Amino acid sequence: GAGVSQTPSNKVTEKGKYVELRCDPISGHTALYWYRQSLGQGPEFLIYFQGTGAADDSGLPNDRFFAVRPEGSVSTLKIQRTERGDSAVYLCASSLMGITDTQYFGPGTRLTVL
Amino acid sequence: AQKVTQAQTEISVVEKEDVTLDCVYETRDTTYYLFWYKQPPSGELVFLIRRNSFDEQNEISGRYSWNFQKSTSSFNFTITASQVVDSAVYFCALIKGGGADGLTFGKGTHLIIQP
Repeated sequence: GAGVSQTPSNKVTEKGKYVELRCDPISGHTALYWYRQSLGQGPEFLIYFQGTGAADDSGLPNDRFFAVRPEGSVSTLKIQRTERGDSAVYLCASSLMGITDTQYFGPGTRLTVL
Repeated sequence: AQKVTQAQTEISVVEKEDVTLDCVYETRDTTYYLFWYKQPPSGELVFLIRRNSFDEQNEISGRYSWNFQKSTSSFNFTITASQVVDSAVYFCALIKGGGADGLTFGKGTHLIIQP
């Protein structure tokens, strides 16, 4: 079946702009995660959804970052007033049920803030 | 907080050699899960294995094998008879039983298999 998909694959924006990154999880997966990967580093956890609710948003770096999953499937990561330091690859993952289940990752969105 | 250390930043071997990627972890939880992921040049993380803290049995899958030792907090990954297609960045990761804070990844080991 289809894996996790993310759009866009690349996003270039200017400092101060607003961006939205979309994630479509594997069909039937109830848990969804966002991670951020900087060059030469491992992914860093941002937020975890179980169904429609954010079960753990402890990794969001500040209040410019927000994510939603209104119908328990597709999720959108929103970044306001982007900064150059937000440039990274944003990865989405999903798992069948809980957070300790195996997480399957999408191809990521490469965000570049000029 | 948990921590995962992959001390080998980059390893380069010639095809058909065996290679071991090291992973050392730190956690105060008694229940946790360990993972290995492969990130080829295309960038997508590919799941390789999941192991829970109560299962110390080693595992073999084709040319891949994993050695989990709680006594040394290590979860090492060996590729036997390496192939050029094994070239990638490999990440070790840990999540605690309650799941809070998501997966904690190491910095990755860049494996280069030369023909």
